[in-house]
Amino acid sequence: AQTVTQSQPEMSVQEAETVTLSCTYDTSESNYYLFWYKQPPSRQMILVIRQEAYKQQNATENRFSVNFQKAAKSFSLKISDSQLGDTAMYFCAFMMTFNNDMRFGAGTRLTVKP
Amino acid sequence: EAQVTQNPRYLITVTGKKLTVTCSQNMNHEYMSWYRQDPGLGLRQIYYSMNVEVTDKGDVPEGYKVSRKEKRNFPLILESPSPNQTSLYFCASSFRTGVYNSPLHFGNGTRLTVT
Repeated sequence: AQTVTQSQPEMSVQEAETVTLSCTYDTSESNYYLFWYKQPPSRQMILVIRQEAYKQQNATENRFSVNFQKAAKSFSLKISDSQLGDTAMYFCAFMMTFNNDMRFGAGTRLTVKP
Repeated sequence: EAQVTQNPRYLITVTGKKLTVTCSQNMNHEYMSWYRQDPGLGLRQIYYSMNVEVTDKGDVPEGYKVSRKEKRNFPLILESPSPNQTSLYFCASSFRTGVYNSPLHFGNGTRLTVT
């Protein structure tokens, strides 16, 4: 079974600085998708970024980028120029290509300090 | 607006009193799923449905039931709730794998407290 591990339960960063959230996963499959979701205090689950395993290029979305290391099964999220609105719980998630079963890590609570 | 709608947003009930949490999506998604979120455990899948009349157990199905009579609706039923089902529940949907693999779209969550 696929597992997702987020080893940092809590992190904090100063506004305007850069922070990296870690995620590792375990799978024997070669084709899959990886995601980062943001959950602000409103409880909404908001998709931040998505990476297809077959793509070597790391995904980027404005201030958010990932470092995808397939051999190491690592998928970290980098947030540049952190803003107060980035304060949230962040979940790393894994999904196989042949089904919609999405597995989540335990989450990292990020606080951006003014 | 494309969305997944869950109701109610908050629910407090007593042990043993049957309840239903509704979920509806307007995106014509084949796949729908229920998750529960607990501190330190992330989101764990309860049940999922690949299409109408097709449902299957996830990782934590005990104490829950679902049905998928229509494509847009996927209610979660707790026939005899217990305090260990106190949690934050999410409904999610997506296009079915093989056609276009899309990420999950989530409802706004239901905070359930069972006393």
